[in-house]
Amino acid sequence: DVKVTQSSRYLVKRTGEKVFLECVQDMDHENMFWYRQDPGLGLRLIYFSYDVKMKEKGDIPEGYSVSREKKERFSLILESASTNQTSMYLCATMAYGYTFGSGTRLTVV
Amino acid sequence: AQTVTQSQPEMSVQEAETVTLSCTYDTSESDYYLFWYKQPPSRQMILVIRQEAYKQQNATENRFSVNFQKAAKSFSLKISDSQLGDAAMYFCAPGAQKLVFGQGTRLTINP
Repeated sequence: DVKVTQSSRYLVKRTGEKVFLECVQDMDHENMFWYRQDPGLGLRLIYFSYDVKMKEKGDIPEGYSVSREKKERFSLILESASTNQTSMYLCATMAYGYTFGSGTRLTVV
Repeated sequence: AQTVTQSQPEMSVQEAETVTLSCTYDTSESDYYLFWYKQPPSRQMILVIRQEAYKQQNATENRFSVNFQKAAKSFSLKISDSQLGDAAMYFCAPGAQKLVFGQGTRLTINP
């Protein structure tokens, strides 16, 4: 089975901090995605990548950036965290459907 | 832009009974898949069932089945013989390579 690992399950950061959310997959999947999940809004796509060094903006990229230096790792970066970025963040890889990581609940105070 | 609507924010069903969760969507893609995912309190998103849009036959996975109406852009999920472990948030998600998710339906199972 494909395994998608998100490095932190819970994270608390201060406003203005630079935050890195890491996602690693153990299969050779090219497609990786970052979503945020908020009550009543479902999952919204932040960024995605179809290959190493490649990135594409999703529906809500403002305030975020990504890095994909290696195929297995896709990092989400909050350059200057704000309270409205408090959310659940989900990473996924795609092959005949998504396989998700277990999520990171980020609180920005 | 693709949109997905799950019109039932919450549903409840008695254990062992059948429940249907609705989903409608809009897409400009000609070739795509449709998925239902469940998210129990553990937060792990789990694939429930997958449907290829080009297939007319509705997908079935044990107690889970779909009613896919391509022309109407409708993709409902039927859960038969509901079990306590089915309690979760359910998300409908159509797409080709990128999936678009609905707002979710919270399903409660009453013992």
